[in-house]
Amino acid sequence: DAMVIQNPRYQVTQFGKPVTLSCSQTLNHNVMYWYQQKSSQAPKLLFHYYDKDFNNEADTPDNFQSRRPNTSFCFLDIRSPGLGDAAMYLCATSRDGRGANEQFFGPGTRLTVL
Amino acid sequence: DAKTTQPPSMDCAEGRAANLPCNHSTISGNEYVYWYRQIHSQGPQYIIHGLKNNETNEMASLIITEDRKSSTLILPHATLRDTAVYYCIEGSGNTGKLIFGQGTTLQVKP
Repeated sequence: DAMVIQNPRYQVTQFGKPVTLSCSQTLNHNVMYWYQQKSSQAPKLLFHYYDKDFNNEADTPDNFQSRRPNTSFCFLDIRSPGLGDAAMYLCATSRDGRGANEQFFGPGTRLTVL
Repeated sequence: DAKTTQPPSMDCAEGRAANLPCNHSTISGNEYVYWYRQIHSQGPQYIIHGLKNNETNEMASLIITEDRKSSTLILPHATLRDTAVYYCIEGSGNTGKLIFGQGTTLQVKP
């Protein structure tokens, strides 16, 4: 029944070592989102894909990149993780990016940077 | 920046109705009011949304004022499992983007 799947659930990386988080969906939704949620804070949108069209938020650091090779999969790449990048990373999907569309969230990947 | 204002925390007795207020005084005509909740260590979960009219589903009711500047989420019979952070969000009708505010931490007590 899992609809938005994130792997791994917990990821540990070293300072400066590139890391990739993955997200897959079985909903065949057009839009996929990546959020960052730091401890005791609200989720913050990093970027989203509308189909293959990439949309970056203005304040998302260049250190964060994303790939969407097909409808089902989306990846978050952190090129050189810093201690401040430790957070929960949430993936979400929606059927369409326009009008009223609920977003379906995955369980998140908690990233620890040593 | 988030454009909604919510009280940081609320308590509710189990079995009673929980009424969570939200101010969105700058909402524009094509923006929806969405409510999501996030139970500890889980991803946010959609609850309900509305544009102008009041809405009800199996989880909750949403009451939107006539001027659309505020709304109230009602959980009719709160249970301990409803303890969570509740986010009220203005969602763009053009892009579908959600900008989360700080939300209300609802504590349901026995």
